[in-house]
Amino acid sequence: DGGITQSPKYLFRKEGQNVTLSCEQNLNHDAMYWYRQDPGQGLRLIYYSQIVNDFQKGDIAEGYSVSREKKESFPLTVTSAQKNPTAFYLCASSIRTTNEKLFFGSGTQLSVL
Amino acid sequence: SQKIEQNSEALNIQEGKTATLTCNYTNYSPAYLQWYRQDPGRGPVFLLLIRENEKEKRKERLKVTFDTTLKQSLFHITASQPADSATYLCAADSNYQLIWGAGTKLIIKP
Repeated sequence: DGGITQSPKYLFRKEGQNVTLSCEQNLNHDAMYWYRQDPGQGLRLIYYSQIVNDFQKGDIAEGYSVSREKKESFPLTVTSAQKNPTAFYLCASSIRTTNEKLFFGSGTQLSVL
Repeated sequence: SQKIEQNSEALNIQEGKTATLTCNYTNYSPAYLQWYRQDPGRGPVFLLLIRENEKEKRKERLKVTFDTTLKQSLFHITASQPADSATYLCAADSNYQLIWGAGTKLIIKP
């Protein structure tokens, strides 16, 4: 079945540690996105990529980094510079680069130990 | 600043009735609006997209309207069922990104 796979489902980060969230899609979609969801707030865009080897910052990119070495993969690293990383992280993709009809993964809940 | 607002209070509806959710936007005019469903601990699932030149769009029991005068989109679920209980998110395009509402929790009571 085609879809987006995020792993792990739950992740714990220690102080000063970098952690990487995985996102893989087999939908052959060009565009991929990382969002952060906090309780009571709308989704906020961290990074997006419209093509391999290219990505753009979203509204809240500080403390995060990404790579897009393959069309299928768009991992997100939460660095120690992100002081408030506890949130639900969602990866998404779309067939075109128009932000229309996004397909989402099942999310990763990141918590700080 | 550009904003998308949805009712933060949960909406309780009796099974079989029509549920209507509201999405208001301020300080700009989006070219389209999208509605998604999100279940607890899961990612959102796309439901419908409506463009500014479309007044209404339907998909099975779902209907979306787009009123550019009122700066509002309404999302209707007819003949509601307990399985329709979820949080519904509204998103609008803005400068090559999406602005998301915080969502409205819909509870359908049997």
